[in-house]
Amino acid sequence: KNEVEQSPQNLTAQEGEFITINCSYSVGISALHWLQQHPGGGIVSLFMLSSGKKKHGRLIATINIQEKHSSLHITASHPRDSAVYICAVWYNNNDMRFGAGTRLTVKP
Amino acid sequence: DVKVTQSSRYLVKRTGEKVFLECVQDMDHENMFWYRQDPGLGLRLIYFSYDVKMKEKGDIPEGYSVSREKKERFSLILESASTNQTSMYLCASSFGGGLRTDTQYFGPGTRLTVL
Repeated sequence: KNEVEQSPQNLTAQEGEFITINCSYSVGISALHWLQQHPGGGIVSLFMLSSGKKKHGRLIATINIQEKHSSLHITASHPRDSAVYICAVWYNNNDMRFGAGTRLTVKP
Repeated sequence: DVKVTQSSRYLVKRTGEKVFLECVQDMDHENMFWYRQDPGLGLRLIYFSYDVKMKEKGDIPEGYSVSREKKERFSLILESASTNQTSMYLCASSFGGGLRTDTQYFGPGTRLTVL
């Protein structure tokens, strides 16, 4: 059973739209990571969160520890943002689990 | 720039063969990881290592072993390959300040097919 839930599974947006991808987990965690995987397969780490909020360019990631929930936002989306976005969670027992991923397509 | 390289992009092996997947990083990272990625199941952690000769089981270690004799190299071994080990295998490394909090750098992956 996958203990990290991501939504939506697929997302299509028009260029310029504001995007939100959600991630929920089940118990206490040490850290949450957001990853990006492009069609060629390469994976890039976007953010690590243990609390609060981080911003990098047009990407913003937030985490609410009490609600066991994180969101990844993309402002002013662009076709080059098209990728699969993956949430990864380190549980306190050194168990690392991944969400199933959100496939984002941004149309020009 | 951190570089994580994997020995092959594509590999085809037969059932029962012993398979070695090699991963090398050039940034003196302490931590190294092996994952597999399958459609519908996503990424899953197989093994990780936080120091030379140290290893820890991840979510799905069955059917795999690992070796880390040198800091820069982390090998994944399939002792007797089976068809259900057909998958994309990804290696990653991270600096070592915090196993769970460090940014991981991923290799390009090896697509293994076991016939």
